[in-house]
Amino acid sequence: GQQLNQSPQSMFIQEGEDVSMNCTSSSIFNTWLWYKQDPGEGPVLLIALYKAGELTSNGRLTAQFGITRKDSFLNISASIPSDVGIYFCAGHPRISGAGSYQLTFGKGTKLSVIP
Amino acid sequence: DTEVTQTPKHLVMGMTNKKSLKCEQHMGHRAMYWYKQKAKKPPELMFVYSYEKLSINESVPSRFSPECPNSSLLNLHLHALQPEDSALYLCASSQVQGAGETQYFGPGTRLLVL
Repeated sequence: GQQLNQSPQSMFIQEGEDVSMNCTSSSIFNTWLWYKQDPGEGPVLLIALYKAGELTSNGRLTAQFGITRKDSFLNISASIPSDVGIYFCAGHPRISGAGSYQLTFGKGTKLSVIP
Repeated sequence: DTEVTQTPKHLVMGMTNKKSLKCEQHMGHRAMYWYKQKAKKPPELMFVYSYEKLSINESVPSRFSPECPNSSLLNLHLHALQPEDSALYLCASSQVQGAGETQYFGPGTRLLVL
């Protein structure tokens, strides 16, 4: 099946620093979604990307749909303690006959912010 | 509004119990999902309902039984579960955007099977 390689697996940063994480795939994706999950809670959609090259911001968050359609990155600027959590990338691979219901997830990036 | 609600928040059950998880959305989304998530792992798809009909069953054991009474509600009936079924159970709903379904998750039900 399709796999997304998400990196880094974890990161420790100082409050105020910028953060960057990315997802790559060996095959083309039609959609990229970025979620944040707090412990014991459901994933919250941060940014959705639908077109190659698309760059979208949501407050301090910026994400881009790679031109090759095989990658996406998420940047967080000026991190704050509440940014702590696990960030998942997810997407819909472009496979003939594949249902649009099935999301492929990355393994997550665990972010820790040191005050 | 992109809210999906789930009840209960926490559930403890024995292996002989029967319980149900409930999910509700009022966004007019056409598809609803059940996922299972283990600690430090991404969500794993269990079932998909599209227009109130079961569309996808990811080879889930029959001790998990989904039900979609109407377009806003989704239930997951649990019976004779095993301790390894303990996990966070997530409901999601989706709408078509772009080339795929953009999914919105509920807060989850933390299930512990004793």
